[in-house]
Amino acid sequence: EAAVTQSPRSKVAVTGGKVTLSCHQTNNHDYMYWYRQDTGHGLRLIHYSYVADSTEKGDIPDGYKASRPSQENFSLILELASLSQTAVYFCASSAGNNYAEQFFGPGTRLTVL
Amino acid sequence: QQQVRQSPQSLTVWEGETAILNCSYEDSTFNYFPWYQQFPGEGPALLISIRSVSDKKEDGRFTIFFNKREKKLSLHITDSQPGDSATYFCAASAGSNNRIFFGDGTQLVVKP
Repeated sequence: EAAVTQSPRSKVAVTGGKVTLSCHQTNNHDYMYWYRQDTGHGLRLIHYSYVADSTEKGDIPDGYKASRPSQENFSLILELASLSQTAVYFCASSAGNNYAEQFFGPGTRLTVL
Repeated sequence: QQQVRQSPQSLTVWEGETAILNCSYEDSTFNYFPWYQQFPGEGPALLISIRSVSDKKEDGRFTIFFNKREKKLSLHITDSQPGDSATYFCAASAGSNNRIFFGDGTQLVVKP
């Protein structure tokens, strides 16, 4: 059974609207991450968290907020969606003693029109 | 600044051939190098990894060769199969910053 799930799997949003992407993990992992993947490119880290109620900025945090209300859940929030935020978003989790071994969700394809 | 670089961007080999995917890095504090495999429509999954104290790691048809002095590593896929067609990401981490850095990936196509 999938240990990292994401919802929705795809979404179409309008420019300027608010978008919330959700991630749930059953791995009992401390670390959770949000990445963005653009066509033909690698994974860029947006935000991550190593404990509930705390988040850290990654490499491209501008225009995104993150929320970690519990160990299992991690959300990515786009307050004012823009065309440039059209991408596939991946959530991942990892154990505290091996954060480099990350388990990814299936991704959310976001299209901003 | 790109911390991890991969080449080629895309690679096509015939079934049965050996595919060689290259990776290089900048930060000398990196000491752990996982490779992830991603199929279309899915999230990446850890394939094989190596620590900087080793120069080689094998797992079946997949082998990582690591050259610490040159800050380079490569992933060799022997007897390539069409099912190996995927994007392969090289990544790197140091022991202190709770995250890993991904390269841009190599898209591998294995033709039957």
